[in-house]
Amino acid sequence: TQLLEQSPQFLSIQEGENLTVYCNSSSVFSSLQWYRQEPGEGPVLLVTVVTGGEVKKLKRLTFQFGDARKDSSLHITAAQPGDTGLYLCAGEHTDKLIFGTGTRLQVFP
Amino acid sequence: SQTIHQWPATLVQPVGSPLSLECTVEGTSNPNLYWYRQAAGRGLQLLFYSVGIGQISSEVPQNLSASRPQDRQFILSSKKLLLSDSGFYLCAWSVHSGDTQYFGPGTRLTVL
Repeated sequence: TQLLEQSPQFLSIQEGENLTVYCNSSSVFSSLQWYRQEPGEGPVLLVTVVTGGEVKKLKRLTFQFGDARKDSSLHITAAQPGDTGLYLCAGEHTDKLIFGTGTRLQVFP
Repeated sequence: SQTIHQWPATLVQPVGSPLSLECTVEGTSNPNLYWYRQAAGRGLQLLFYSVGIGQISSEVPQNLSASRPQDRQFILSSKKLLLSDSGFYLCAWSVHSGDTQYFGPGTRLTVL
């Protein structure tokens, strides 16, 4: 069974700080998606990366797909309280979407 | 546009009682459908997925079952709930396997 490990599991920071969330696996993925989930709601797609080494930016969020397509990172610059939530990576492997273990981010004002 | 509905939003049930959670999708045809369970603040555990009417694949052995009586309807059931069935249940759909999944609002189940 493919496993997508995310680190850190929990992250609690002050507004304005930068942070990076990692998503790692020993498996190669066709694509990698990142979702954010707010309490009591379903996850919502943020971005999909497809090519090894690809970097995508979404305002203050920067997503990178590893060259070997086994890992990904999410970097947030100048975090804001509105960034609080559960971040999930998900890799596409043999027509299945495998979700990561999740990173819970809390940004304090 | 496509929308996905789940109900009920919250449910409190006694141990040993039956369960039926419903999920419906609008605005698309022949979607792939998924049921996930999520423990508090953690990742998603895939329970069942369906690629068509009457086609159900189970990912983990448990006392839950799923059915797809119509193209855009997915039901999660149990004959006798256990305490360990408590959690946040999410339904999702996608166009194809491996594609982006679109999630419903979830059902919070508490078994007492």
